[in-house]
Amino acid sequence: AQSVTQPDIHITVSEGASLELRCNYSYGATPYLFWYVQSPGQGLQLLLKYFSGDTLVQGIKGFEAEFKRSQSSFNLRKPSVHWSDAAEYFCAVVGNNNDMRFGAGTRLTVKP
Amino acid sequence: GAVVSQHPSRVICKSGTSVKIECRSLDFQATTMFWYRQFPKQSLMLMATSNEGSKATYEQGVEKDKFLINHASLTLSTLTVTSAHPEDSSFYICSALQGAFFSGNTIYFGEGSWLTVV
Repeated sequence: AQSVTQPDIHITVSEGASLELRCNYSYGATPYLFWYVQSPGQGLQLLLKYFSGDTLVQGIKGFEAEFKRSQSSFNLRKPSVHWSDAAEYFCAVVGNNNDMRFGAGTRLTVKP
Repeated sequence: GAVVSQHPSRVICKSGTSVKIECRSLDFQATTMFWYRQFPKQSLMLMATSNEGSKATYEQGVEKDKFLINHASLTLSTLTVTSAHPEDSSFYICSALQGAFFSGNTIYFGEGSWLTVV
């Protein structure tokens, strides 16, 4: 079955600094990858997704992610973090049964 | 606006009782619905996949007799937590899909339902 790994449980960055959240996937075929953000007590918001084509994907709120097949990675980046970006971030992958599986999540704290 | 609606958004029930959570697709026919469970500060864990008119497929370790899933129509799936206990307290999220994902369709998530068992 497909799976994703998010190695970093918690990351702290200063406001205005750049951000990179890591995601590694395991899947036999071309993966369909997603990044979601979740604020405390809230549902999920889709940031971006990769299906095929250009390996650099642009999303909402200034986020982007790069698919690297050689590294089985789909890392999320943002050049300048805002305090409002503090949240939980989940990487996800869809498998053959249309089922979406999530990584453990990375909690982002933004220092003033 | 929301295309998948969950109800109730929050529910408190007494231990030993059953509680039902609804997941509705508002403007499309959801041939497949998924139910997830999320404990505080943890990830979303897939509980089961349900296809309209068929029995749900449960993930390993999920008790099918405790978490009853019904997907009787193309716009409604329900999750019933039977004989709820405090350890069932969690955030439950559904998602819905029309057709096959790999045909270019989108998976939509509900806003989630908080269950507290006291």
